[in-house]
Amino acid sequence: QKEVEQNSGPLSVPEGAIASLNCTYSDRVSQSFFWYRQYSGKSPELIMSIYSNGDKEDGRFTAQLNKASQYVSLLIRDSQPSDSATYLCASSSGGSYIPTFGRGTSLIVHP
Amino acid sequence: DTGVSQDPRHKITKRGQNVTFRCDPISEHNRLYWYRQTLGQGPEFLTYFQNEAQLEKSRLLSDRFSAERPKGSFSTLEIQRTEQGDSAMYLCASSPHEGLNEKLFFGSGTQLSVL
Repeated sequence: QKEVEQNSGPLSVPEGAIASLNCTYSDRVSQSFFWYRQYSGKSPELIMSIYSNGDKEDGRFTAQLNKASQYVSLLIRDSQPSDSATYLCASSSGGSYIPTFGRGTSLIVHP
Repeated sequence: DTGVSQDPRHKITKRGQNVTFRCDPISEHNRLYWYRQTLGQGPEFLTYFQNEAQLEKSRLLSDRFSAERPKGSFSTLEIQRTEQGDSAMYLCASSPHEGLNEKLFFGSGTQLSVL
C-alpha cells in the first residue's frame, strides 16, 4: 500500500525564518511529488510540484527531492503569518497517476 | 476558468438517509477525482473518472457509495444508507491529466454531517 508520511506538527517558526517541512513515501516507483497548502476550512491548493532529484525553486518556496532516500521537503523562506496553514505532501506513480496524500503538517508563523 | 464547483457546501442528514453531491469540474479537464477528508487527515482517494469512464475505486469504498460522470462533464457521488462514520468533507478535484504533471484543482468541498 502506498503511504506518504508527514509529521502532523504543529511546526512553529517566527516571522522571517525558514520553515522546513518534510515528507517520506513508501512506494519506490513514485515519480511525481506535490505540495499543497490548505488553509483552515478551505480546500487544498497546489503550490509546488517536483519530478527530478534535486531542488526546484519558485519564489519563496523550494522543493527538494531525494529519490534514493524516498524523501521530499518544502522550504519556505522569509515565512509570513499568511503562510500559516496545513501543508500536504502528495505522490503519484506511473500508470494511473492517482495522487496519494499525507496527513499534512500544520505550520504556524508567529509575528 | 470558473474553477471546480461543488454543491451543496454543507449537508446534514439523519443516519440511514441517502445523499447525493454534485461536482462541476473545470471544463477542459478530462479527469475528475473524488476524495474524502476528515479532521486532521489528508484527503483520502475514493474514485476517479477519465472522461465518462470510472477507472478506479478505492478498496476502502463501501458498496453504499456510487459515482457517475455522464457524458464526461459533471459528476455525482451518492451515499446510500448513510452512517455516522460517513461524516467528512467530500472533495472533488479535476485535472487536465498531463501524465507526470497530475495537478489537482479542488472544489470547495461538501461537508457532510450524519446525525
